[in-house]
Amino acid sequence: DAKTTQPTSMDCAEGRAANLPCNHSTISGNEYVYWYRQIHSQGPQYIIHGLKNNETNEMASLIITEDRKSSTLILPHATLRDTAVYYCIVFGSGNTGKLIFGQGTTLQVKP
Amino acid sequence: EAGVAQSPRYKIIEKRQSVAFWCNPISGHATLYWYQQILGQGPKLLIQFQNNGVVDDSQLPKDRFSAERLKGVDSTLKIQPAKLEDSAVYLCASSVSFDRYEQFFGPGTRLTVL
Repeated sequence: DAKTTQPTSMDCAEGRAANLPCNHSTISGNEYVYWYRQIHSQGPQYIIHGLKNNETNEMASLIITEDRKSSTLILPHATLRDTAVYYCIVFGSGNTGKLIFGQGTTLQVKP
Repeated sequence: EAGVAQSPRYKIIEKRQSVAFWCNPISGHATLYWYQQILGQGPKLLIQFQNNGVVDDSQLPKDRFSAERLKGVDSTLKIQPAKLEDSAVYLCASSVSFDRYEQFFGPGTRLTVL
């Protein structure tokens, strides 16, 4: 079973920041938070991951709370192409590589 | 850099028929995964290979599904005989190794079983 809880759906206006929350209250000390997204009719795409510090790359920023029980993925300037299902996944260093996907959050970016 | 290739992209078969899917991972990636994604759900891992050895096949219905990765590169996933509930998208992914967690996914094969 997925170790994360995400809202089923969210809307965002084009050009505005999209903030996608994720709860992972049972996360262990050696487990990372990973984010993937899946655009319609495509395979999932890696976005970003983090352990305890905030992370930023060319796609997004990841903010992890100090107690590590929740995190927020931020798309700073959402475009219509960011419309997708976003998956938050908890992943341990002892894991063999298996990603356990939940239902994810369907983000609809509107003009 | 070429991505993960899969074929065919679409397949329609009747129940009890057999079907095979092919995956070519990114060059140099040691780990290969097959996922099943039923409509409206997230992908579910079926089998994971490290080079040509199986790491995890705990969720593979072994009475009808089989997979191989000859020479540690390309892989095929076979279903024989297919059931209606096998209708899904079959996704192949690869990563540099099992402890490098960024997985690269192919476009998937959409299977419809009638």
